[in-house]
Amino acid sequence: EAGVAQSPRYKIIEKRQSVAFWCNPISGHATLYWYQQILGQGPKLLIQFQNNGVVDDSQLPKDRFSAERLKGVDSTLKIQPAKLEDSAVYLCASSRGDGNEKLFFGSGTQLSVL
Amino acid sequence: AQSVTQPDIHITVSEGASLELRCNYSYGATPYLFWYVQSPGQGLQLLLKYFSGDTLVQGIKGFEAEFKRSQSSFNLRKPSVHWSDAAEYFCAAYTGGFKTIFGAGTRLFVKA
Repeated sequence: EAGVAQSPRYKIIEKRQSVAFWCNPISGHATLYWYQQILGQGPKLLIQFQNNGVVDDSQLPKDRFSAERLKGVDSTLKIQPAKLEDSAVYLCASSRGDGNEKLFFGSGTQLSVL
Repeated sequence: AQSVTQPDIHITVSEGASLELRCNYSYGATPYLFWYVQSPGQGLQLLLKYFSGDTLVQGIKGFEAEFKRSQSSFNLRKPSVHWSDAAEYFCAAYTGGFKTIFGAGTRLFVKA
Protein backbone atom coordinates (compact mmCIF):
# COMPACT_ATOMS: atom_id res chain seq x y z
CA GLU A 1 0.00 0.00 0.00
CA ALA A 2 1.15 3.54 -0.62
CA GLY A 3 2.54 5.34 2.42
CA VAL A 4 1.79 8.74 3.88
CA ALA A 5 2.77 11.42 1.39
CA GLN A 6 4.01 14.84 2.46
CA SER A 7 5.17 17.87 0.56
CA PRO A 8 7.29 19.83 0.29
CA ARG A 9 10.30 17.92 1.61
CA TYR A 10 12.15 21.07 2.60
CA LYS A 11 11.14 24.69 3.01
CA ILE A 12 13.19 27.75 3.88
CA ILE A 13 11.40 31.00 4.66
CA GLU A 14 12.05 34.23 6.47
CA LYS A 15 10.35 35.06 9.73
CA ARG A 16 6.92 36.64 9.39
CA GLN A 17 6.33 34.85 6.09
CA SER A 18 3.64 32.22 5.70
CA VAL A 19 4.06 28.57 4.76
CA ALA A 20 1.81 25.59 4.11
CA PHE A 21 2.42 21.86 4.28
CA TRP A 22 0.38 19.15 2.66
CA CYS A 23 -0.29 15.59 3.73
CA ASN A 24 -2.08 12.71 2.05
CA PRO A 25 -2.64 9.84 4.47
CA ILE A 26 -2.90 6.16 3.68
CA SER A 27 -6.16 5.41 1.94
CA GLY A 28 -8.90 4.48 4.37
CA HIS A 29 -7.13 5.81 7.46
CA ALA A 30 -9.62 7.74 9.53
CA THR A 31 -7.17 9.43 11.87
CA LEU A 32 -4.61 11.98 10.77
CA TYR A 33 -2.00 13.64 12.96
CA TRP A 34 0.37 16.58 12.58
CA TYR A 35 3.44 16.43 14.79
CA GLN A 36 6.17 19.01 15.29
CA GLN A 37 9.64 17.60 15.90
CA ILE A 38 12.22 20.13 17.04
CA LEU A 39 15.82 19.05 16.69
CA GLY A 40 16.80 16.79 19.58
CA GLN A 41 13.25 16.25 20.79
CA GLY A 42 10.50 13.72 20.30
CA PRO A 43 7.49 14.47 18.15
CA LYS A 44 4.92 16.75 19.76
CA LEU A 45 1.31 16.46 18.67
CA LEU A 46 -0.04 19.65 17.15
CA ILE A 47 -3.43 18.51 15.95
CA GLN A 48 -5.35 15.32 15.40
CA PHE A 49 -8.27 14.71 13.09
CA GLN A 50 -10.76 11.89 13.15
CA ASN A 51 -12.19 11.92 9.63
CA ASN A 52 -12.71 15.65 9.04
CA GLY A 53 -13.31 16.61 12.67
CA VAL A 54 -10.69 17.88 15.12
CA VAL A 55 -10.11 15.52 18.06
CA ASP A 56 -7.29 17.36 19.78
CA ASP A 57 -5.67 20.70 19.00
CA SER A 58 -4.70 21.62 22.54
CA GLN A 59 -1.03 22.11 21.67
CA LEU A 60 -1.59 24.00 18.42
CA PRO A 61 -0.54 27.68 18.66
CA LYS A 62 -3.79 28.89 17.21
CA ASP A 63 -2.68 32.48 16.85
CA ARG A 64 -0.39 31.43 14.01
CA PHE A 65 -1.04 27.80 13.14
CA SER A 66 -4.09 26.44 11.39
CA ALA A 67 -4.96 23.09 9.89
CA GLU A 68 -7.80 21.62 7.95
CA ARG A 69 -8.80 18.24 6.63
CA LEU A 70 -11.51 18.83 4.13
CA LYS A 71 -13.49 15.78 3.04
CA GLY A 72 -11.68 13.71 5.63
CA VAL A 73 -8.79 12.78 3.37
CA ASP A 74 -5.77 15.00 2.82
CA SER A 75 -4.79 17.82 5.10
CA THR A 76 -2.91 21.10 5.11
CA LEU A 77 -1.07 22.75 7.97
CA LYS A 78 -0.37 26.47 7.72
CA ILE A 79 1.83 28.81 9.69
CA GLN A 80 1.22 32.54 9.40
CA PRO A 81 3.32 34.41 10.36
CA ALA A 82 6.28 32.12 11.01
CA LYS A 83 8.70 32.65 13.88
CA LEU A 84 12.27 31.50 14.27
CA GLU A 85 11.20 28.92 16.87
CA ASP A 86 8.95 27.24 14.30
CA SER A 87 12.03 25.73 12.67
CA ALA A 88 11.41 22.00 12.96
CA VAL A 89 10.37 18.91 11.05
CA TYR A 90 6.63 18.66 10.60
CA LEU A 91 5.51 15.07 10.50
CA CYS A 92 2.20 13.83 9.28
CA ALA A 93 0.95 10.44 10.42
CA SER A 94 -2.18 8.43 9.93
CA SER A 95 -3.81 5.43 11.53
CA ARG A 96 -6.88 3.33 10.93
CA GLY A 97 -8.50 4.89 13.97
CA ASP A 98 -10.05 1.64 15.12
CA GLY A 99 -8.16 1.39 18.38
CA ASN A 100 -5.15 -0.35 16.86
CA GLU A 101 -3.13 2.80 17.07
CA LYS A 102 -0.19 1.91 14.89
CA LEU A 103 0.91 5.17 13.34
CA PHE A 104 2.26 5.39 9.83
CA PHE A 105 4.50 8.40 9.30
CA GLY A 106 5.41 10.41 6.27
CA SER A 107 8.99 11.52 5.69
CA GLY A 108 8.21 14.97 7.05
CA THR A 109 8.75 18.54 5.94
CA GLN A 110 11.86 20.21 7.28
CA LEU A 111 11.15 23.90 7.86
CA SER A 112 13.89 26.44 8.41
CA VAL A 113 12.82 29.94 9.44
CA LEU A 114 15.58 32.52 8.99
CA ALA B 1 0.43 14.12 33.90
CA GLN B 2 0.87 11.46 31.27
CA SER B 3 4.45 11.22 30.08
CA VAL B 4 7.01 8.99 28.46
CA THR B 5 10.61 9.23 29.62
CA GLN B 6 13.69 7.98 27.86
CA PRO B 7 16.52 8.57 30.33
CA ASP B 8 19.36 8.17 27.84
CA ILE B 9 19.84 10.92 25.27
CA HIS B 10 22.40 8.86 23.40
CA ILE B 11 24.04 5.45 23.67
CA THR B 12 27.10 4.06 21.94
CA VAL B 13 27.59 0.31 21.52
CA SER B 14 30.05 -1.79 19.57
CA GLU B 15 28.83 -3.71 16.58
CA GLY B 16 27.85 -7.20 17.72
CA ALA B 17 27.25 -6.14 21.30
CA SER B 18 23.89 -6.28 22.99
CA LEU B 19 21.64 -3.25 23.34
CA GLU B 20 19.05 -2.08 25.82
CA LEU B 21 17.20 1.21 25.49
CA ARG B 22 15.18 2.34 28.47
CA CYS B 23 11.65 3.71 28.51
CA ASN B 24 9.39 4.60 31.42
CA TYR B 25 5.82 5.80 31.26
CA SER B 26 3.59 7.64 33.63
CA TYR B 27 -0.08 6.84 33.26
CA GLY B 28 -2.86 5.68 35.53
CA ALA B 29 -3.64 2.56 33.57
CA THR B 30 -1.56 0.40 31.27
CA PRO B 31 -1.27 2.21 27.96
CA TYR B 32 -0.55 0.69 24.62
CA LEU B 33 3.22 0.95 24.20
CA PHE B 34 5.31 1.30 21.08
CA TRP B 35 8.88 1.63 19.90
CA TYR B 36 9.60 3.56 16.72
CA VAL B 37 12.87 4.04 14.88
CA GLN B 38 13.83 7.09 12.87
CA SER B 39 16.73 7.01 10.46
CA PRO B 40 18.24 10.33 9.36
CA GLY B 41 15.90 12.23 7.06
CA GLN B 42 13.18 9.63 7.40
CA GLY B 43 9.84 9.38 9.10
CA LEU B 44 9.28 7.10 12.05
CA GLN B 45 8.86 3.38 11.53
CA LEU B 46 7.15 1.08 14.00
CA LEU B 47 9.45 -1.58 15.49
CA LEU B 48 7.01 -3.27 17.84
CA LYS B 49 4.00 -2.70 20.06
CA TYR B 50 2.50 -4.00 23.28
CA PHE B 51 -1.22 -4.05 23.87
CA SER B 52 -1.78 -6.87 26.36
CA GLY B 53 -0.88 -10.48 27.03
CA ASP B 54 2.68 -11.76 26.81
CA THR B 55 4.93 -9.09 28.29
CA LEU B 56 7.82 -9.94 25.96
CA VAL B 57 7.05 -8.77 22.45
CA GLN B 58 8.99 -9.41 19.30
CA GLY B 59 9.42 -6.83 16.59
CA ILE B 60 11.08 -6.33 13.27
CA LYS B 61 14.82 -6.26 12.64
CA GLY B 62 15.52 -8.58 15.59
CA PHE B 63 14.28 -6.21 18.28
CA GLU B 64 12.26 -7.20 21.31
CA ALA B 65 10.83 -5.31 24.27
CA GLU B 66 9.66 -6.31 27.70
CA PHE B 67 6.79 -4.67 29.53
CA LYS B 68 7.19 -4.53 33.31
CA ARG B 69 4.13 -3.16 35.04
CA SER B 70 5.82 -2.93 38.44
CA GLN B 71 8.50 -0.67 37.02
CA SER B 72 6.29 1.16 34.49
CA SER B 73 8.93 0.30 31.94
CA PHE B 74 9.05 -0.93 28.37
CA ASN B 75 12.72 -1.41 27.51
CA LEU B 76 13.88 -2.23 24.00
CA ARG B 77 16.56 -4.87 23.49
CA LYS B 78 18.58 -6.45 20.74
CA PRO B 79 21.10 -9.25 21.35
CA SER B 80 23.54 -8.22 18.63
CA VAL B 81 23.64 -4.74 17.14
CA HIS B 82 24.43 -4.12 13.49
CA TRP B 83 25.90 -0.90 12.13
CA SER B 84 22.63 -0.29 10.25
CA ASP B 85 20.82 -0.02 13.59
CA ALA B 86 22.34 3.41 14.18
CA ALA B 87 19.33 5.72 14.36
CA GLU B 88 17.08 7.50 16.82
CA TYR B 89 14.65 5.41 18.80
CA PHE B 90 11.41 6.70 20.25
CA CYS B 91 9.23 5.10 22.87
CA ALA B 92 5.56 6.05 22.69
CA ALA B 93 2.41 5.44 24.67
CA TYR B 94 -1.16 5.49 23.46
CA THR B 95 -3.21 6.68 26.38
CA GLY B 96 -6.65 6.58 24.85
CA GLY B 97 -8.66 9.38 23.31
CA PHE B 98 -6.67 8.81 20.16
CA LYS B 99 -3.61 10.40 21.77
CA THR B 100 -0.07 9.05 21.39
CA ILE B 101 2.71 10.58 23.48
CA PHE B 102 6.35 10.26 22.48
CA GLY B 103 9.50 10.26 24.56
CA ALA B 104 12.36 12.59 23.67
CA GLY B 105 14.25 9.81 21.93
CA THR B 106 17.55 7.99 22.33
CA ARG B 107 20.15 8.27 19.62
CA LEU B 108 22.08 5.06 19.05
CA PHE B 109 25.63 5.18 17.77
CA VAL B 110 27.29 1.95 16.64
CA LYS B 111 31.07 1.72 16.55
CA ALA B 112 33.00 -0.78 14.51
